[in-house]
Amino acid sequence: DIVMTQSPDSLAVSLGERATINCKSSQSVLYSSNNKNYLAWYQQKPGQPPKLLIYWASTRESGVPDRFSGSGSGTDFTLTISSLQAEDVAVYYCQQYYSTPPVTFGQGTRLEIK
Amino acid sequence: EVQLVESGGVVVQPGGSLRLSCAASGFTFDDYAMHWVRQAPGKGLEWVSLISWDGGSTYYADSVKGRFTISRDNSKNSLYLQMNSLRAEDTALYYCAKDVGSQPGYFDYWGQGTLVTVSS
Repeated sequence: DIVMTQSPDSLAVSLGERATINCKSSQSVLYSSNNKNYLAWYQQKPGQPPKLLIYWASTRESGVPDRFSGSGSGTDFTLTISSLQAEDVAVYYCQQYYSTPPVTFGQGTRLEIK
Repeated sequence: EVQLVESGGVVVQPGGSLRLSCAASGFTFDDYAMHWVRQAPGKGLEWVSLISWDGGSTYYADSVKGRFTISRDNSKNSLYLQMNSLRAEDTALYYCAKDVGSQPGYFDYWGQGTLVTVSS
């Protein structure tokens, strides 16, 4: 099974500042035949189900603000929020879908306002 | 508008059984694989089970294999999870999630979840 490890576990960032969350997979999730990274990011606000933000490591889901961006390839990935807004307070999860089943998620990163 | 509505979560004793349901609407149900994902109180997301678009293939997390059974009724646009031999560690909010395609991928829609509590 592919193990997904996020860092940090929690993060406090000032409003308007950049927030960066990292995700590392135990093996590459890059499929060489199509050059796609099978990696998604989700946002979960308190009391709500997760919401898809990013797929293929860097493609924003429709309706997701452009302050959210995903980058990385192979085993190392980053979710960046360019200018933190109050509504971005949430737990963020990465998920690999390169080798499924099982689907595997990172442990989550809690993002708060400093 | 895509909607996934879970039901069936209750308080059940250890060793008991339960059947969760997920009613889907707003999309062509039998075009997509479907999943159950759970979240223990204050914890992260744990994938539980997957069923292919036609129900012909099913997969389970090791933690539930042999105890849980996923199924679907495409004529009723419904997904199910039969849970047997329940343990305290199965206590969680259970989400129904729609796959983005007919093969396992990522999840573009989630229900609000149904709470299962295993306690004596």
